[in-house]
Amino acid sequence: QQPVQSPQAVILREGEDAVINCSSSKALYSVHWYRQKHGEAPVFLMILLKGGEQKGHDKISASFNEKKQQSSLYLTASQLSYSGTYFCGTEKSSGAGSYQLTFGKGTKLSVIP
Amino acid sequence: AAGVIQSPRHLIKEKRETATLKCYPIPRHDTVYWYQQGPGQDPQFLISFYEKMQSDKGSIPDRFSAQQFSDYHSELNMSSLELGDSALYFCASSSGQGGSWNTEAFFGQGTRLTVV
Repeated sequence: QQPVQSPQAVILREGEDAVINCSSSKALYSVHWYRQKHGEAPVFLMILLKGGEQKGHDKISASFNEKKQQSSLYLTASQLSYSGTYFCGTEKSSGAGSYQLTFGKGTKLSVIP
Repeated sequence: AAGVIQSPRHLIKEKRETATLKCYPIPRHDTVYWYQQGPGQDPQFLISFYEKMQSDKGSIPDRFSAQQFSDYHSELNMSSLELGDSALYFCASSSGQGGSWNTEAFFGQGTRLTVV
């Protein structure tokens, strides 16, 4: 079951904030966030495991609400380097031994000067 | 630091030909995943291996097969190629810790396959 991301695209000016959402209709074990620039490999940002945790990485943070089966990625004071397509990847709560990460359709973020 | 190595980086094949894509995971990573990404699309999971055994299967066509060898490198074999197989193929590796996705996965730079 593919997670649903919103918005599909967003344009920001440098210094502005953005939120990208990821939701699933199935119970989740973990949520992963990646950023991909055009023609390049996806780059890992962070993993959130069930338990409603939040994580931060520089000015990028994320939350995971296990009950709502949702995760949100928060980008604050955006920089030009934040431009790219952000994917959330979800793993169903199938217990140990799950080897499949399903990505959402992506959110294209463009930061302009 | 060593990264995931994929070869070749670019490949052009004709319809109905075969292709073999190779992936060399990060040393000591025991889990390998293959993804297919069409232009403007999200990465689609194909197949994964843990400790040289196939562990999960996604939307991989029957014309494709893959395996992981004793040195943990993996190969994706694609036969009877079709125009629709043109895509970027990514391999990722992680230290599976029992196989669940609770660790970071590192992606290779991908192999761009063009079928003409």
